[in-house]
Amino acid sequence: KAGVTQTPRYLIKTRGQQVTLSCSPISGHRSVSWYQQTPGQGLQFLFEYFSETQRNKGNFPGRFSGRQFSNSRSEMNVSTLELGDSALYLCASSPSSGTAEQFFGPGTRLTVL
Amino acid sequence: EDQVTQSPEALRLQEGESSSLNCSYTVSGLRGLFWYRQDPGKGPEFLFTLYSAGEEKEKERLKATLTKKESFLHITAPKPEDSATYLCAVLSNSGYALNFGKGTSLLVTP
Repeated sequence: KAGVTQTPRYLIKTRGQQVTLSCSPISGHRSVSWYQQTPGQGLQFLFEYFSETQRNKGNFPGRFSGRQFSNSRSEMNVSTLELGDSALYLCASSPSSGTAEQFFGPGTRLTVL
Repeated sequence: EDQVTQSPEALRLQEGESSSLNCSYTVSGLRGLFWYRQDPGKGPEFLFTLYSAGEEKEKERLKATLTKKESFLHITAPKPEDSATYLCAVLSNSGYALNFGKGTSLLVTP
């Protein structure tokens, strides 16, 4: 079974731009969660989508948004990028919302200049 | 508020030198405690899920245990390829998201 895939793997943007990251979950998994990982804060939860609905949201500003499609693929968008948004963005999938194990993709490394 | 604290932050071991990593947690109700391994530049790799105090799970040189307040990841006779950051996370009864600790960076030297 193929794992979680994320595209692109690396991105370089400048302040003020916006960016869209994509995540394809494991086949059959319907829940997708997004996390931001930085050296200082560690892994922090952004939001979770299940059946095209946002089920839960972390403590991030409204510049961070996401959506999920009917095939469970998910995208997250960050508008008006700031230097502090530089991070590894990780997507995790699980069979259903609130399920124990979450399986992570390789992440997208975003650098904001 | 759920809290997860991992110690030590970094650990250096000689090959074959067994040790333990600690994960202390405070949650309103534990649905599960998870251990992940993360290599540089990669996403976390799932290792174990523990659900209740007294539970133990093993995989190769790794053994995870759980009490009501903490979990230990025991590494027996580690090899250099065990070098990685080990992350602990909890899922509470009231949440959908994993709450991660900051991790323990393990280096095993030959």
